[in-house]
Amino acid sequence: EAGVAQSPRYKIIEKRQSVAFWCNPISGHATLYWYQQILGQGPKLLIQFQNNGVVDDSQLPKDRFSAERLKGVDSTLKIQPAKLEDSAVYLCASSFYDEQFFGPGTRLTVL
Amino acid sequence: QKEVEQNSGPLSVPEGAIASLNCTYSDRGSQSFFWYRQYSGKSPELIMSIYSNGDKEDGRFTAQLNKASQYVSLLIRDSQPSDSATYLCAVNRAKTSYDKVIFGPGTSLSVIP
Repeated sequence: EAGVAQSPRYKIIEKRQSVAFWCNPISGHATLYWYQQILGQGPKLLIQFQNNGVVDDSQLPKDRFSAERLKGVDSTLKIQPAKLEDSAVYLCASSFYDEQFFGPGTRLTVL
Repeated sequence: QKEVEQNSGPLSVPEGAIASLNCTYSDRGSQSFFWYRQYSGKSPELIMSIYSNGDKEDGRFTAQLNKASQYVSLLIRDSQPSDSATYLCAVNRAKTSYDKVIFGPGTSLSVIP
């Protein structure tokens, strides 16, 4: 069974630029999560989809972050414009029940 | 009070010893509990899930849950240098139709050869 796929693995941008991350979950997993993980901290949930609907986006900075999950499969997370404090690893995870499986993450550096 | 708290760490144990990692949670209605291992520069990997009070063993790992005390722990027997990683406790507070999983800050474990 293929795992969660993410791209790109690394991204370096300047502040005020935009960036997009892509995630393809494990086949059959209805729930997809985007997390932000800052060095030394646990993952922080940004947005949670169940099929193609949003069930939790309470911690998503909606003035600059957006996400979509078209057709209930893969998903894109966008940041526009980026700030220095957005430097982090962005993790995508998926689950069938409540056990989550993570992709390799995207390490974002904002200069 | 934070929703999920863990030993501040770092925790150092000698090779072959038992490593004990602790986690407390604030929501008494939490339903399921997870331990993830995260190597430096890698993503979290699920190692244990536990849903009912008591112990659950898987190889060298034992998860212990006490819902009355709102406490979950992970014991690693015969610790190996390859166990050196950050261990994340996660708690599912689900009360509706969707899961609400909260991660703790993690405890860094170092196993000394």
